[in-house]
Amino acid sequence: EAGVAQSPRYKIIEKRQSVAFWCNPISGHATLYWYQQILGQGPKLLIQFQNNGVVDDSQLPKDRFSAERLKGVDSTLKIQPAKLEDSAVYLCASSLAGPGLADVRNEQFFGPGTRLTVL
Amino acid sequence: GENVEQHPSTLSVQEGDSAVIKCTYSDSASNYFPWYKQELGKRPQLIIDIRSNVGEKKDQRIAVTLNKTAKHFSLHITETQPEDSAVYFCAASPRGYSTLTFGKGTMLLVSP
Repeated sequence: EAGVAQSPRYKIIEKRQSVAFWCNPISGHATLYWYQQILGQGPKLLIQFQNNGVVDDSQLPKDRFSAERLKGVDSTLKIQPAKLEDSAVYLCASSLAGPGLADVRNEQFFGPGTRLTVL
Repeated sequence: GENVEQHPSTLSVQEGDSAVIKCTYSDSASNYFPWYKQELGKRPQLIIDIRSNVGEKKDQRIAVTLNKTAKHFSLHITETQPEDSAVYFCAASPRGYSTLTFGKGTMLLVSP
């Protein structure tokens, strides 16, 4: 099956500019996640969608970050305005099941990521 | 919220040796513990996972053990090979099927 797709793969912007990332999850996967992975650290969850609703956005810096998942399929993550500390790899992941199915193995499949450099 | 600590941050072994990576978690409600392998410049990929109703799980050269009382779990790789070289992340999920909190990762280097 096709994996999680992300674009662009690389982006270089100057601080205070805006940027948007796109993710297409595996077909049929109900849950979609956006992670921020700073160099040398583990992925940190920014936002989780179940279909087109937000399940968890407690770690999303809402003053500058926004995300949407219209129609419960593709998703976009936007940063406006960007700061130097936003330089990171932004990973999108998807899983088949979601909250409410505690006994189902809920493996998250990751996309290749978008490497953002803010100058 | 959940906090996952991972040790060591780097681990160097000779080919054929065993490697052990340890993680501790803070939320006693966590009941799903996956391990991901991330090769340089590539996406994280699940290599093994364990649920809280199981104490140990094995898949060929890889095994994971879980001690719920002590709130720690470990990844064991036997007969290491150079292609095992990568960064390994542990994670924990408080709800067992949803949000993952990752450790900071262990860079494993296997020398021929």
